[in-house]
Amino acid sequence: NAGVTQTPKFQVLKTGQSMTLQCAQDMNHEYMSWYRQDPGMGLRLIHYSVGAGITDQGEVPNGYNVSRSTTEDFPLRLLSAAPSQTSVYFCAAGGGNTEAFFGQGTRLTVV
Amino acid sequence: AQKITQTQPGMFVQEKEAVTLDCTYDTSDPSYGLFWYKQPSSGEMIFLIYQGSYDQQNATEGRYSLNFQKARKSANLVISASQLGDSAMYFCAMRESQGGKLIFGQGTELSVKP
Repeated sequence: NAGVTQTPKFQVLKTGQSMTLQCAQDMNHEYMSWYRQDPGMGLRLIHYSVGAGITDQGEVPNGYNVSRSTTEDFPLRLLSAAPSQTSVYFCAAGGGNTEAFFGQGTRLTVV
Repeated sequence: AQKITQTQPGMFVQEKEAVTLDCTYDTSDPSYGLFWYKQPSSGEMIFLIYQGSYDQQNATEGRYSLNFQKARKSANLVISASQLGDSAMYFCAMRESQGGKLIFGQGTELSVKP
């Protein structure tokens, strides 16, 4: 049972580079979301989606894009990486009146 | 706007004792859910317990219970008989029925002493 799979697990980028963090789920959840985790700040919501073709901004959306062409996949794109985007990124699927399931996280460093 | 607050950055508890981790929330939506997650040093997010706003009884899951006080807008996590393996970060989260965003508090780092 894969659940929520995030790739890559680790990534180092140079300032100005772009990249896509991949997230895939095999649980058929309509709701998916992306968070970033920084020390002392908990998990902050970047973008979320309530179904294929529908996305919306969270608390900290600037510098990130998302799309949801299928129920399974919810990639997060960094358009032009900045050192302030150094963080641990989590993708989650599910929620409502049951728990959200999280991926293992991606540790991103921007130099 | 929905908001979750955890005011205890760090807590210490003696092994085998009970500990309460505080969480307060703010929402104008009458229908919402409250969650607690555990994040050990390995980094994964582990779901612990859920409480719905219309649930009449406090949620319990093994050694975890949620002290839900709706009028005070608090949803404290109680861990009974603490174990060394309970040392971790603990996050409170809330989802409103309208919009569906799951918002987290800042977290509490729990250390269990032998």
